[in-house]
Amino acid sequence: GQQLNQSPQSMFIQEGEDVSMNCTSSSIFNTWLWYKQEPGEGPVLLIALYKAGELTSNGRLTAQFGITRKDSFLNISASIPSDVGIYFCAGQRGNQFYFGTGTSLTVIP
Amino acid sequence: EAGVVQSPRYKIIEKKQPVAFWCNPISGHNTLYWYLQNLGQGPELLIRYENEEAVDDSQLPKDRFSAERLKGVDSTLKIQPAELGDSAVYLCASSSGTGGRIDNEQFFGPGTRLTVL
Repeated sequence: GQQLNQSPQSMFIQEGEDVSMNCTSSSIFNTWLWYKQEPGEGPVLLIALYKAGELTSNGRLTAQFGITRKDSFLNISASIPSDVGIYFCAGQRGNQFYFGTGTSLTVIP
Repeated sequence: EAGVVQSPRYKIIEKKQPVAFWCNPISGHNTLYWYLQNLGQGPELLIRYENEEAVDDSQLPKDRFSAERLKGVDSTLKIQPAELGDSAVYLCASSSGTGGRIDNEQFFGPGTRLTVL
C-alpha cells in the first residue's frame, strides 16, 4: 500500500524548543490528518485539515494543508516532555487513509 | 463513551499455528478498518468494512488471512497458518462513515501485538 514520505524520521530536542515536521505525497488528498502514537497504544487524532491552504491550531500544535494538496506540515511550539511519541501524517481520499512513515520525537528535560 | 476495544493485547504463537484477533468498534460506527503496523512504520490497511460488507480487501493476503464482521458490529481477523513475517501490531479502527467532516475521522484501538516464533 501507499505510504507517505514523512521527515524527519526522528528528532531529539530540548524541552521548550519548537518542532517542525512535514509530510509529502505524489498524490493529492482531500483531507490531511496528524496523529500521535504512544508506546502500546493506537494512534490518536491531533488535527484534521480539510481545505488546501488551511491552517489549524490545537493548543501548541499548528498544522497546514499544502496548497498543492500533496503535502502538510505540523509544528509543535514550546515542547514539553509529554510530547514524546511518534507522529504520523495521513492523507484521506474517500474512506481510504494512507499513513506516513512517522516522526519519532524525543524531548529532553 | 467507550473507544475501540481490541483483544487480546498480546499474543505469542509458534509459526504455522492459527491466531485470531477481535475488535469491537465504537457504537454506531459503520466503517471498520484492520491495519497492519510493522515496527518503525505507519499503519497499512488490510481490509475495510462498510457495515458487514468488505469493500476494500485488496491488501489482505487471502491465502492465509481472513476476516469477518458479523452483523456489521464486531469483527475478527484470522491468520492461518501464521508465518514469522506476520509478527507486527494489528490495529483496528472505526469511523462513522456517514459523510461530512467529523464523520471521516477514524478512531483506533490499542492494537494486538503478535509475535510469531
